[in-house]
Amino acid sequence: GAVVSQHPSRVICKSGTSVKIECRSLDFQATTMFWYRQFPKQSLMLMATSNEGSKATYEQGVEKDKFLINHASLTLSTLTVTSAHPEDSSFYICSAQLAGALNTGELFFGEGSRLTVL
Amino acid sequence: GNSVTQMEGPVTLSEEAFLTINCTYTATGYPSLFWYVQYPGEGLQLLLKATKADDKGSNKGFEATYRKETTSFHLEKGSVQVSDSAVYFCALSDRLYGNNRLAFGKGNQVVVIP
Repeated sequence: GAVVSQHPSRVICKSGTSVKIECRSLDFQATTMFWYRQFPKQSLMLMATSNEGSKATYEQGVEKDKFLINHASLTLSTLTVTSAHPEDSSFYICSAQLAGALNTGELFFGEGSRLTVL
Repeated sequence: GNSVTQMEGPVTLSEEAFLTINCTYTATGYPSLFWYVQYPGEGLQLLLKATKADDKGSNKGFEATYRKETTSFHLEKGSVQVSDSAVYFCALSDRLYGNNRLAFGKGNQVVVIP
């Protein structure tokens, strides 16, 4: 149980276009999801906390107009990279925690999405 | 703020060797500590965790003890297998407003040679 799926796993786009990445909790409800960015040979950097039905909370230094996050349901959060540039190329990973009393402190991670901006 | 430091560089060792990956942390309050593992081509998955000082987390032959006095959570396994080849991340939980925000170390690539 507790499976998180991301789509697409790989995407290549042209500079200036927007790209949407989906994160779904397949067999549980997730009131909170987290979006991370991972650079080569570096750690995961938390970008934002996504709460169902409310605005995302962004970490310092992350542009909220650049990285749009929507968490419209208990099983889906989306990250849209707007007007993408080559420096946005990275590995984006989402994670989710169980809702309410089922939350044991564990996070469940998606497989990640590799974005390449040409 | 909260942070996690892992030892530098990849780790290469032979099958059945002893594995240690060091992890130290800086945190306010009393965080929970985790080790996550990322196998090739897969997402991160929880390996083990400890929620308070002196707790020992264990799973699949791996162990780590929450040492508050040394602010450490070193990962150990007595006899590694080729299938243990993966990237290992140490993390701590900053349970702000009930959310499990995680701060990660840089990760260590472990390569086990037959």
